[in-house]
Amino acid sequence: GAGVSQTPSNKVTEKGKYVELRCDPISGHTALYWYRQSLGQGPEFLIYFQGTGAADDSGLPNDRFFAVRPEGSVSTLKIQRTERGDSAVYLCASSLFSSYNSPLHFGNGTRLTVT
Amino acid sequence: GIQVEQSPPDLILQEGANSTLRCNFSDSVNNLQWFHQNPWGQLINLFYIPSGTKQNGRLSATTVATERYSLLYISSSQTTDSGVYFCAVDTGNQFYFGTGTSLTVIP
Repeated sequence: GAGVSQTPSNKVTEKGKYVELRCDPISGHTALYWYRQSLGQGPEFLIYFQGTGAADDSGLPNDRFFAVRPEGSVSTLKIQRTERGDSAVYLCASSLFSSYNSPLHFGNGTRLTVT
Repeated sequence: GIQVEQSPPDLILQEGANSTLRCNFSDSVNNLQWFHQNPWGQLINLFYIPSGTKQNGRLSATTVATERYSLLYISSSQTTDSGVYFCAVDTGNQFYFGTGTSLTVIP
């Protein structure tokens, strides 16, 4: 497709379970970002990939969160031992080179609910 | 870290009215972008504007990087303009989002 695609659109899981969230960026975009948005707040940075490598993972809240982008395209955000506080909308964005010099395009997000 | 403040936090407009949204940031930035988040949660990039002025239809934006602020102008507002407007600033590897302005346009 033409835009950033995120799956699933909704995910409900029990506290303590493991979840994976997937992001398909726009074809040809080298930069990929993960953000988390809680109700009434602006998106909060989690991690930035340039190609296959994580250029900046300073936003990951703790070691339960991990993200990969093995082939420089699709990325997966992994959350272990989920907690209720992890409930939020997880947004993925891509840009042609980097946010420094090209517009950011967001997917529709994955709404994660931890019960 | 950098602080990004937006004003006003909330705004209600009659359809057809004009408005100005402001974004102040506390440090030098490489880039600034404005986004509209519609009521369904989708974030749409409006402007990529590290400096200067750009226009796109009824919307225009101005960034004065040396004074650390940006303005988003909405003219002849329509109900479809409703949603939250975010500015986001780039300091290197990541964008920091502001607190947003929630706009409601009533018919």
